[in-house]
Amino acid sequence: DAGVTQSPTHLIKTRGQQVTLRCSPKSGHDTVSWYQQALGQGPQFIFQYYEEEERQRGNFPDRFSGHQFPNYSSELNVNALLLGDSALYLCASSLFTGRSPLHFGNGTRLTVT
Amino acid sequence: QKEVEQNSGPLSVPEGAIASLNCTYSDRGSQSFFWYRQYSGKSPELIMSIYSNGDKEDGRFTAQLNKASQYVSLLIRDSQPSDSATYLCAVYMEYGNKLVFGAGTILRVKS
Repeated sequence: DAGVTQSPTHLIKTRGQQVTLRCSPKSGHDTVSWYQQALGQGPQFIFQYYEEEERQRGNFPDRFSGHQFPNYSSELNVNALLLGDSALYLCASSLFTGRSPLHFGNGTRLTVT
Repeated sequence: QKEVEQNSGPLSVPEGAIASLNCTYSDRGSQSFFWYRQYSGKSPELIMSIYSNGDKEDGRFTAQLNKASQYVSLLIRDSQPSDSATYLCAVYMEYGNKLVFGAGTILRVKS
């Protein structure tokens, strides 16, 4: 039973560039959430996708956008990268219910120079 | 007030001792609570979930929930050096329909 998979593992970008991160949820899960985790901090909620729509959004600017595909996989796009966007980006999948725990992928380490 | 608050630590305990990790939350309507363990450089791993007041035990781990006090805790019995990690408390916020994490508590178990 495949868990949550994310790609790429590491990424180095320059300020102003754009980046796309990808995620495949755990088998049987229909909801994908994205989190940003800066060093020494807890994961910060970016947004959640269910039925190919953004259902909830955290306090992140419009530079952060996403998409969910019919097979439940998801992409996170970040435009006009800033140095402060350097972080571990975590994708988590779950069932669309508040009582369902999140299962995380291994994350994508993004470094913006 | 932060939505989910944890003592950042580090909390240092000797091998074999009980480690007690605490968390408070702001949304009185929250119904779902989770503890995750995160090793350095790795992603969070689910340890426990708890939904009702009281204690829930799973092996060496016990989660405790007190909704009236808006308080959730995690006890680790017979702590091992391999338990050294950051422990994240996560609370499902009903008003925002999102899972919010605390900043985490660093636990160090010394042999």
